[in-house]
Amino acid sequence: AQKITQTQPGMFVQEKEAVTLDCTYDTSDQSYGLFWYKQPSSGEMIFLIYQGSYDEQNATEGRYSLNFQKARKSANLVISASQLGDSAMYFCAMREALISSGSARQLTFGSGTQLTVLP
Amino acid sequence: GAGVSQSPSNKVTEKGKDVELRCDPISGHTALYWYRQSLGQGLEFLIYFQGNSAPDKSGLPSDRFSAERTGGSVSTLTIQRTQQEDSAVYLCASSLVAGAFTDTQYFGPGTRLTVL
Repeated sequence: AQKITQTQPGMFVQEKEAVTLDCTYDTSDQSYGLFWYKQPSSGEMIFLIYQGSYDEQNATEGRYSLNFQKARKSANLVISASQLGDSAMYFCAMREALISSGSARQLTFGSGTQLTVLP
Repeated sequence: GAGVSQSPSNKVTEKGKDVELRCDPISGHTALYWYRQSLGQGLEFLIYFQGNSAPDKSGLPSDRFSAERTGGSVSTLTIQRTQQEDSAVYLCASSLVAGAFTDTQYFGPGTRLTVL
């Protein structure tokens, strides 16, 4: 089963408007972290925002906020006042605290959402 | 401060040749990860180093892939007898401490490998 699901392969938003990128996750762990990364066409993965499973408030970083609904296992990224430079691929990722099959606490990534900001 | 650096940025090689990819993590970061991103795909975990502990190689796709980390800093990913399916972007990431699920991984710019 997919651990991270991003159901929107592509999204379009008008410049200066807000956009929500969806992410749902699957884990039996009580302790985990959720991350969003941005990957522009240059290829570098840029860390945007983090939400811990025990955090009671939604994380915010500038124009980025994370709509965390623990019971629904969703961690949607909200970008306010979109800019042309926000056009990129966005990845949701999770890191679980419990060691399952391996010892590495690597990130598990979703398939990404390609966001295009229209002028 | 300096971020994660990787070299080369691009590598074109012929099938059957060996290649070495280098990663220099953020100074002070004890954990180092290698991931692979094939065209249009998400990221696939390859290998992980934490301090002086034995690496976790559970993500390596075959025994043609190996990696080492010297002095707890620079890491080299080696692919022997490259195949066309090895063509991908290889991303390195480092984090301050691997033990916490809160720990953020910071990525380098990647090495784009093309096997002809």
